[in-house]
Amino acid sequence: KAGVTQTPRYLIKTRGQQVTLSCSPISGHRSVSWYQQTPGQGLQFLFEYFSETQRNKGNFPGRFSGRQFSNSRSEMNVSTLELGDSALYLCASSSGQRPNTGELFFGEGSRLTVL
Amino acid sequence: GESVGLHLPTLSVQEGDNSIINCAYSNSASDYFIWYKQESGKGPQFIIDIRSNMDKRQGQRVTVLLNKTVKHLSLQIAATQPGDSAVYFCAESSGNTPLVFGKGTRLSVIA
Repeated sequence: KAGVTQTPRYLIKTRGQQVTLSCSPISGHRSVSWYQQTPGQGLQFLFEYFSETQRNKGNFPGRFSGRQFSNSRSEMNVSTLELGDSALYLCASSSGQRPNTGELFFGEGSRLTVL
Repeated sequence: GESVGLHLPTLSVQEGDNSIINCAYSNSASDYFIWYKQESGKGPQFIIDIRSNMDKRQGQRVTVLLNKTVKHLSLQIAATQPGDSAVYFCAESSGNTPLVFGKGTRLSVIA
């Protein structure tokens, strides 16, 4: 069974631009969660989607948004990029029996650098 | 408190020795705990989990201990191997809340 796939793996943007990251969950998984990982803050929860609905949301500004499609694939978008948005963005999928609990299967992440 | 990256707490152990990685949590309502391992350049990988109605759970070469009284979680790795070198994260959840991750501990295995 294929794992969680994230694209692109690496990208470089400049301040003020926007970026869209994509995540394909494990087949059959209906829950997709996004985390931001930085050296200073560790893994911080962004949001979780289940059956195309946002089920949980972390404490990030409105510049961070996401969505989930009917095939469970998810995208997240960051608008008006700031230097502090440089991070590894991790997507994780699960069966979603309970919101964002139970084993999360992580992708390898999209590393975003903002110049 | 802990921090990741340059200031990440580090545990160095000799190959073949047992490793113990500790984690303190703050939410007394947390009822689910999980340990992840993250190798360089990869996403976190599930190791073992435990629910609050248990105080010990064993897997292959790993044991998780939960002490709810002092809100402490530990991961024990038996016969540590070079392949165990990684950053280890604990995470907790209560009810339907998202997993909250600790800042991580870097394990270095000395051959």
